[in-house]
Amino acid sequence: AQSVAQPEDQVNVAEGNPLTVKCTYSVSGNPYLFWYVQYPNRGLQFLLKYITGDNLVKGSYGFEAEFNKSQTSFHLKKPSALVSDSALYFCAVSDYGNNRLAFGKGNQVVVIP
Amino acid sequence: GAGVSQSPRYKVAKRGQDVALRCDPISGHVSLFWYQQALGQGPEFLTYFQNEAQLDKSGLPSDRFFAERPEGSVSTLKIQRTQQEDSAVYLCASSIGRLAPDINEQFFGPGTRLTVL
Repeated sequence: AQSVAQPEDQVNVAEGNPLTVKCTYSVSGNPYLFWYVQYPNRGLQFLLKYITGDNLVKGSYGFEAEFNKSQTSFHLKKPSALVSDSALYFCAVSDYGNNRLAFGKGNQVVVIP
Repeated sequence: GAGVSQSPRYKVAKRGQDVALRCDPISGHVSLFWYQQALGQGPEFLTYFQNEAQLDKSGLPSDRFFAERPEGSVSTLKIQRTQQEDSAVYLCASSIGRLAPDINEQFFGPGTRLTVL
């Protein structure tokens, strides 16, 4: 079975500082990895995905994520956080050949002005 | 362009009532997914359609849950004899789905918040 762990409930960071949101995964085959962001009263928005190729993936709004197979991790990063980045972030994984996404419980990011 | 839309946005039902939740995917998207998101949790997979075919319904929690997509576009998730534990946000997502397996990103609707009293 596929699963995702997001170990921190909330991440607090000062505006302008680097932001990291952690994610580890478990799959039986090759992982397809995704990050989504959820703003209040709005649907999940796609940020980026890793399918194959370069381990560093760049996405929307200046976010990037690094796939690390040996550590089974896919941490989300942004070099300089903005107040508007405050939201709920979800990591998700899909096993090869399996169309279902397994989501983590989410991380609340709070960027402090 | 138009995204995924869901209706109603909010639904309050008395325990034992039947409810129907509608999803309009992005036009031309082959794949459609339903997820259930409990308060404070991540979405959990319910079922998956490719066009009108329901290819995976392994996430449906009981036989009270039923989903259909008869013409390969609009989908309806029906919950019969609702229970309090069914209270959640029900999310619909669609993707282009022209790759096999489908590794395209999924686009989510705003969800329907179901409250069962």
